Amino acid sequence: DVKVTQSSRYLVKRTGEKVFLECVQDMDHENMFWYRQDPGLGLRLIYFSYDVKMKEKGDIPEGYSVSREKKERFSLILESASTNQTSMYLCASRDRDRSYQETQYFGPGTRLLVL
Amino acid sequence: GNSVTQMEGPVTLSEEAFLTINCTYTATGYPSLFWYVQYPGEGLQLLLKATKADDKGSNKGFEATYRKETTSFHLEKGSVQVSDSAVYFCALIKPTGNQFYFGTGTSLTVIP
Repeated sequence: DVKVTQSSRYLVKRTGEKVFLECVQDMDHENMFWYRQDPGLGLRLIYFSYDVKMKEKGDIPEGYSVSREKKERFSLILESASTNQTSMYLCASRDRDRSYQETQYFGPGTRLLVL
Repeated sequence: GNSVTQMEGPVTLSEEAFLTINCTYTATGYPSLFWYVQYPGEGLQLLLKATKADDKGSNKGFEATYRKETTSFHLEKGSVQVSDSAVYFCALIKPTGNQFYFGTGTSLTVIP
């Protein structure tokens, strides 16, 4: 079974702090994704990575950056947290070389509160 | 562009009622279509999928048929249970892309 883990389930930070959200997958997937989930807005893609050190902006990259130094790990960084970044953050991974019909596998999510 | 539209929630049903959650999509070509389910406090997990027109995806009593003529992928279940209470997301991916496009989610509560 594919396992995607996220470093924290709940996180509380202060405005202006630098925040790191970590995601690790154990299936040697090339593609990894960061989403945020907000009521009424569904899932919105922040960034994705299709290989080590490779990244592409998603729909809402402003205020975020990412790092992919190793294939299994994809980090989301909030350079200076703001209250409007309070949200649920979901990481996902996917095998690039299999059929496009292949699903994404999601982690359990990190609920971030910025005060 | 690519997009997915789901019916607004929340939906509240009694146990054993029939469920329909509507989903329509906009995309060129032949996307794959998915339904994901999110149980309270968890991430999303795949419920079912369909990869070409007229395909029917099914799992755990849920079904959805890929209708290209109406660009729809409605989720149905004949008899819901309390344990089906969750948020349901419709999604698509195009053959040449990496990005999934999600609907806004529909919250379902089933009462005994």
